[in-house]
Amino acid sequence: GQNIDQPTEMTATEGAIVQINCTYQTSGFNGLFWYQQHAGEAPTFLSYNVLDGLEEKGRFSSFLSRSKGYSYLLLKELQMKDSASYLCVSVDSNYQLIWGAGTKLIIKP
Amino acid sequence: GAVVSQHPSRVICKSGTSVKIECRSLDFQATTMFWYRQFPKKSLMLMATSNEGSKATYEQGVEKDKFLINHASLTLSTLTVTSAHPEDSSFYICSARGTGGDTEAFFGQGTRLTVV
Repeated sequence: GQNIDQPTEMTATEGAIVQINCTYQTSGFNGLFWYQQHAGEAPTFLSYNVLDGLEEKGRFSSFLSRSKGYSYLLLKELQMKDSASYLCVSVDSNYQLIWGAGTKLIIKP
Repeated sequence: GAVVSQHPSRVICKSGTSVKIECRSLDFQATTMFWYRQFPKKSLMLMATSNEGSKATYEQGVEKDKFLINHASLTLSTLTVTSAHPEDSSFYICSARGTGGDTEAFFGQGTRLTVV
């Protein structure tokens, strides 16, 4: 079956760095998204990886290893506004989105 | 979590015809529904936000007359692609959010539209 695994909740300190891991098992692979979702709002796009490696975009970076079925989202210089849920989403061979349950990130002062 | 049902999952239509996609919240009342479009190897783009009983709010660049959104009840929103063209071929996904200020949104499984 198709499956996405990511931690349910993580806590980090303002100004620190946090890494949110995601492992996936999908039938075929057409990339992996990371989305940020604040409570009560629609998710917003953070990153898309389809090739192996690290892609850096400001304070956020995303890494993909297709051979390991693994991705992570790295958040640096954490700010209080980064408190949100982070969704790992894999795209299968039919372009269906396989959504993880999300990781709730709590930032403490 | 809550369930959002999107139908159909796949549809093929001829150029010039219209296609309707349904998004239903099965076990909660969705006051707000979001419609997204995804292009291959690109990000999911928000098309419009609809609140039950009122007109949808479209994102910049989305044609209102081409992508008709109706949110007539608390459990159903529809997206109609009118006079479809091959460039409208894409993956459309909806999400629904319930009542309350801090409720999360739940996603449908998406509709793969191919216009030939």
